[in-house]
Amino acid sequence: AQTVTQSQPEMSVQEAETVTLSCTYDTSESDYYLFWYKQPPSRQMILVIRQEAYKQQNATENRFSVNFQKAAKSFSLKISDSQLGDAAMYFCAYRTRNTGGFKTIFGAGTRLFVKA
Amino acid sequence: NAGVTQTPKFQVLKTGQSMTLQCAQDMNHNSMYWYRQDPGMGLRLIYYSASEGTTDKGEVPNGYNVSRLNKREFSLRLESAAPSQTSVYFCASSEGDRWKLFFGSGTQLSVL
Repeated sequence: AQTVTQSQPEMSVQEAETVTLSCTYDTSESDYYLFWYKQPPSRQMILVIRQEAYKQQNATENRFSVNFQKAAKSFSLKISDSQLGDAAMYFCAYRTRNTGGFKTIFGAGTRLFVKA
Repeated sequence: NAGVTQTPKFQVLKTGQSMTLQCAQDMNHNSMYWYRQDPGMGLRLIYYSASEGTTDKGEVPNGYNVSRLNKREFSLRLESAAPSQTSVYFCASSEGDRWKLFFGSGTQLSVL
């Protein structure tokens, strides 16, 4: 079974600085998707960024980028020029590409605080 | 655009009571999911439905049942609620294997 581990329960960053959130996963599959979701206090789940395992190039979305290390099974999220609105829970997620519903498994989350 | 709609948003139950959480999506998605969110544990998959007419257990199915009523609706039932089922419940849907999950706004459930 696949597992997702986020080892940082909380992180803090100064506004305008850069922060990196860690995520590792365990799987025997070779083809899958990885995601970072953001959950602000509103409880809404917002997709931040997505990485396809077969792509070597790291995904980027504006101030958000990932460092995908497939061999190490690592998938970290870098937030550049942090803003107050980035304060939220961040969840790393793994999605199988096997048939049977394409289950998505989540890590425990990292709460990010942004200091003004 | 409604997306994924969950009802109710809040519910308080007494131990042993039963209830059904409703979920409907209007995006014509094949796959639907129920998760629970607990502090320090992230989102854990309870049940999922790959397509209309099929359901499968996720990581934490004990104490729950589901029904995929049609392509739009996927309900979660607690037959005899327990305090350990106090949680925030999310319904989600997706289409295909490469797209993201679309989440409902969640149900805050307290079992006393």
